[in-house]
Amino acid sequence: DTEVTQTPKHLVMGMTNKKSLKCEQHMGHRAMYWYKQKAKKPPELMFVYSYEKLSINESVPSRFSPECPNSSLLNLHLHALQPEDSALYLCASSVRTGLNNEQFFGPGTRLTVL
Amino acid sequence: SQELEQSPQSLIVQEGKNLTINCTSSKTLYGLYWYKQKYGEGLIFLMMLQKGGEEKSHEKITAKLDEKKQQSSLHITASQPSHAGIYLCGADIGISGYALNFGKGTSLLVTP
Repeated sequence: DTEVTQTPKHLVMGMTNKKSLKCEQHMGHRAMYWYKQKAKKPPELMFVYSYEKLSINESVPSRFSPECPNSSLLNLHLHALQPEDSALYLCASSVRTGLNNEQFFGPGTRLTVL
Repeated sequence: SQELEQSPQSLIVQEGKNLTINCTSSKTLYGLYWYKQKYGEGLIFLMMLQKGGEEKSHEKITAKLDEKKQQSSLHITASQPSHAGIYLCGADIGISGYALNFGKGTSLLVTP
């Protein structure tokens, strides 16, 4: 299995809702990432997990809460989001963090906040 | 932070023509990655370059990293409609290499 899967593919939520995005990989990778991509912009890093521990939080608002229950699974819990949080959320994984480790990306979750 | 400049911003070429996309860094690159993205979809890994002067090819796509490791080019030979999409260059952020910093992308359209 050489892919990163993300669910759901699309999500529409209100500003008072609580929802979660899920990312899974079975390549034995020990580093997993969340990126946010706005329309016509490059992906921007949100969080990095290394060996199931949060390594980097790029000053992301607390309404985004990541979780890494095990080495194959990465979640992003969403609560009280704003319309400007609407974007494509991409998950990626790599063998490990560090130089020259290509990241494999999932297909993304298209999030719309009403 | 490491700034990556891509050029051109967009490109329209006729099927069968060759094209080149450039990616320039303000700092020495520890690693340079090329990805392709279809609109609204995930990124597809194309190639990674590490060493100055390195060149890699896959099918009709060739990527090079210059000797100074500050500029990379992506060349597509005999373009096809399947090559259409957004091409992104990415680089390791600093020595820790925790994640990728991306250029703004080059949008490629291949016309019949």
